[in-house]
Amino acid sequence: KQEVTQIPAALSVPEGENLVLNCSFTDSAIYNLQWFRQDPGKGLTSLLLIQSSQREQTSGRLNASLDKSSGRSTLYIAASQPGDSATYLCAVHTGNQFYFGTGTSLTVIP
Amino acid sequence: NAGVMQNPRHLVRRRGQEARLRCSPMKGHSHVYWYRQLPEEGLKFMVYLQKENIIDESGMPKERFSAEFPKEGPSILRIQQVVRGDSAAYFCASSPRAGTLYSNQPQHFGDGTRLSIL
Repeated sequence: KQEVTQIPAALSVPEGENLVLNCSFTDSAIYNLQWFRQDPGKGLTSLLLIQSSQREQTSGRLNASLDKSSGRSTLYIAASQPGDSATYLCAVHTGNQFYFGTGTSLTVIP
Repeated sequence: NAGVMQNPRHLVRRRGQEARLRCSPMKGHSHVYWYRQLPEEGLKFMVYLQKENIIDESGMPKERFSAEFPKEGPSILRIQQVVRGDSAAYFCASSPRAGTLYSNQPQHFGDGTRLSIL
């Protein structure tokens, strides 16, 4: 069974810092991996999707990488801003299901 | 804005009552997924449906829970005889297609229904 782990569980950084969030998964037979952002009391907003054949995707200040063979993905956030404060979730798509990690709660301090 | 619409946003029920959660997928999307998020836990897959068809319900409790996605109208997640442990946020996601041929299809989520059991 697929298990998804995110480290760290919580992260607090000063504004302007670059940061990396980590996601690992146990079964490398995935179709894609998706990074989401969740604000308190809200749903999930899709940030980036990496197909299994891709190594990375970029959108603005965000860059996500995928190493399927080692079961790892990272989300890099450049020049962090207070508005980036949220919980970041990664999810892997295998079969009919999407398996989610428990998230990293990010706080960017002004 | 034709995003995924869930209603109600908040639902309060007493133990033993029934809860009905609705999800209207994005326009043009024919695949719906339901997830449950318990406090301090990640999202857990419950069920995957296409129109008039349950594709995968392996994440759904065997008793009291059911889901449907009729030809017309929203998808419904139904919880009968609710208990305190059913209190959670229930999220719906939709995608236009699914499966290996369409691995570039992201999921789009609604804002969820927060279910509270008194």
